[in-house]
Amino acid sequence: AQKVTQAQTEISVVEKEDVTLDCVYETRDTTYYLFWYKQPPSGELVFLIRRNSFDEQNEISGRYSWNFQKSTSSFNFTITASQVVDSAVYFCALSGDTGRRALTFGSGTRLQVQP
Amino acid sequence: EADIYQTPRYLVIGTGKKITLECSQTMGHDKMYWYQQDPGMELHLIHYSYGVNSTEKGDLSSESTVSRIRTEHFPLTLESARPSHTSQYLCASSEPRELYNEQFFGPGTRLTVL
Repeated sequence: AQKVTQAQTEISVVEKEDVTLDCVYETRDTTYYLFWYKQPPSGELVFLIRRNSFDEQNEISGRYSWNFQKSTSSFNFTITASQVVDSAVYFCALSGDTGRRALTFGSGTRLQVQP
Repeated sequence: EADIYQTPRYLVIGTGKKITLECSQTMGHDKMYWYQQDPGMELHLIHYSYGVNSTEKGDLSSESTVSRIRTEHFPLTLESARPSHTSQYLCASSEPRELYNEQFFGPGTRLTVL
């Protein structure tokens, strides 16, 4: 069985602060895929990043960066110099490489960035 | 750019009505999914399909049903809506041969049953 844990239910920061969203996963698959999605108040899911289990390189995209550590089963997401537009719910998700390959989502972290 | 559509975006109906939520994708993807998300909560898989004439129940029990008569179309039906069905329903599709198994999501349907 797969499981994704986002222990932080809600985080509130002031604009320009850095913030890290934690994600810990469990899976028995040797090949798997990790994702982060952003869900603004409008409700749609916005894809942010994907990673496969063989690629542990960290990635930076503008103010966003991701730290994938297989040894601790973590895939954390950092926003540098946060902005009000970053306010949203962020979901970490996991899928296996066989069978239905559906996503298992974490419970989400609500990020509030105050001006 | 993902091409997956859901209609309606918002629906408010009374108890007992039959409703169908539409989902269509133009990418030719074999796999399609329905996720349910209660307000402020995580998403749970309720139905999925490997292809035409293939449908399976997901992790979360749901009174809804689905059909897959055409590759591009994966509608979800509630025969008799109840207030407990109030939720957001998100449709997704993926190409199984694609390396990352990225799922493309539609904009969602927010259903309110009075």
